[in-house]
Amino acid sequence: GAGVSQSPSNKVTEKGKDVELRCDPISGHTALYWYRQSLGQGLEFLIYFQGNSAPDKSGLPSDRFSAERTGGSVSTLTIQRTQQEDSAVYLCASSLEAQGSLEQYFGPGTRLTVT
Amino acid sequence: AQSVTQLDSQVPVFEEAPVELRCNYSSSVSVYLFWYVQYPNQGLQLLLKYLSGSTLVESINGFEAEFNKSQTSFHLRKPSVHISDTAEYFCAVSSGGSYIPTFGRGTSLIVHP
Repeated sequence: GAGVSQSPSNKVTEKGKDVELRCDPISGHTALYWYRQSLGQGLEFLIYFQGNSAPDKSGLPSDRFSAERTGGSVSTLTIQRTQQEDSAVYLCASSLEAQGSLEQYFGPGTRLTVT
Repeated sequence: AQSVTQLDSQVPVFEEAPVELRCNYSSSVSVYLFWYVQYPNQGLQLLLKYLSGSTLVESINGFEAEFNKSQTSFHLRKPSVHISDTAEYFCAVSSGGSYIPTFGRGTSLIVHP
């Protein structure tokens, strides 16, 4: 079956513009996670969803970042007034449920470059 | 609180040589441990995991990892690497009640011919 997909694969934007990143999880997966991957920094947790609810938003770096999930499926990560430090690869992952013992399935990521 | 330390940011090795990628974790409760692999321009994919039971776990492509509770380690090993094993490897830990795994910074395995 289809894996996790993300779009766009690459995004170049000017500083100050807003961007939207999209994630389509595996069908039937109730948990969805967003991470940010910067060079040499590993994976930084941003936010996770259980269904359409986001119990933990603690990783969002600032109020310029927001995310939503609709229909228990597609999720959108929005970054307003982008800054150069927002440049990174944004990864989305999904799992059957939000449980620490379960494997996460990752999408290929969106590479964001803020000029 | 849980944390993961991958001591080596880069490990160069020649083809057919053995390799060990180190991972140490910190957690005050029982843990689940994972190794993920990321090939260039791809997302992460699960390589192997430890949930309970046998402390030695294996993957289908020859990697293995051993859970060592006393040393709080989960090192990844392969007796003979291939060029195709060149990738970024991430260790991750989830501890009791946590829905969110903590990932290490990653180790870049570079296999030379």
